[in-house]
Amino acid sequence: NAGVMQNPRHLVRRRGQEARLRCSPMKGHSHVYWYRQLPEEGLKFMVYLQKENIIDESGMPKERFSAEFPKEGPSILRIQQVVRGDSAAYFCASSPRGADTFSGNTIYFGEGSWLTVV
Amino acid sequence: GENVEQHPSTLSVQEGDSAVIKCTYSDSASNYFPWYKQELGKRPQLIIDIRSNVGEKKDQRIAVTLNKTAKHFSLHITETQPEDSAVYFCAAIQSPGAGSYQLTFGKGTKLSVIP
Repeated sequence: NAGVMQNPRHLVRRRGQEARLRCSPMKGHSHVYWYRQLPEEGLKFMVYLQKENIIDESGMPKERFSAEFPKEGPSILRIQQVVRGDSAAYFCASSPRGADTFSGNTIYFGEGSWLTVV
Repeated sequence: GENVEQHPSTLSVQEGDSAVIKCTYSDSASNYFPWYKQELGKRPQLIIDIRSNVGEKKDQRIAVTLNKTAKHFSLHITETQPEDSAVYFCAAIQSPGAGSYQLTFGKGTKLSVIP
């Protein structure tokens, strides 16, 4: 059972370009989360999606960032007009189902996509 | 929203000694608390978790305790080994709205085990 798959693992973009990060959840998982990790810092929640639905995007910057999880294919985190401050590791995670605090639904992380903006 | 504080930010122990990392959370409705281990350049890996109906959980050399009244939980690693060296993150689930499952992470503890 393959884990959460992310690609590309490393991405270099010039300022003003677009970055697209892809995430395929674990088999059987229909819930995807994106987290951002700045150097030497913890993980910050960005967005939570189910197939064709954004459930919680409270952590997403209001501009330039968007996420989708189509019916077919991977989830995509898109960053338009990248700036130096977007340089970070972007981790995707997945779980078989969503909010169920009594079961403590475990989420599993992918290996991350490291974005460098030059 | 939920706020998770984690201490210490760095911790050095001699091989064989114990390591303790402490976290506090703000949302009394939070009731799931996982711990992740992250090695340099790698993904966070779940090492142990605890739910609010349990006060303590142990898995070999790793244990986690939870004090709901005080809103704090701790990770204990006994008989530390050099391969335990990594950054450890605590997390708490923010009280979900309709279908939200947002883990809030502490800032991490860099553990160094000195051979």
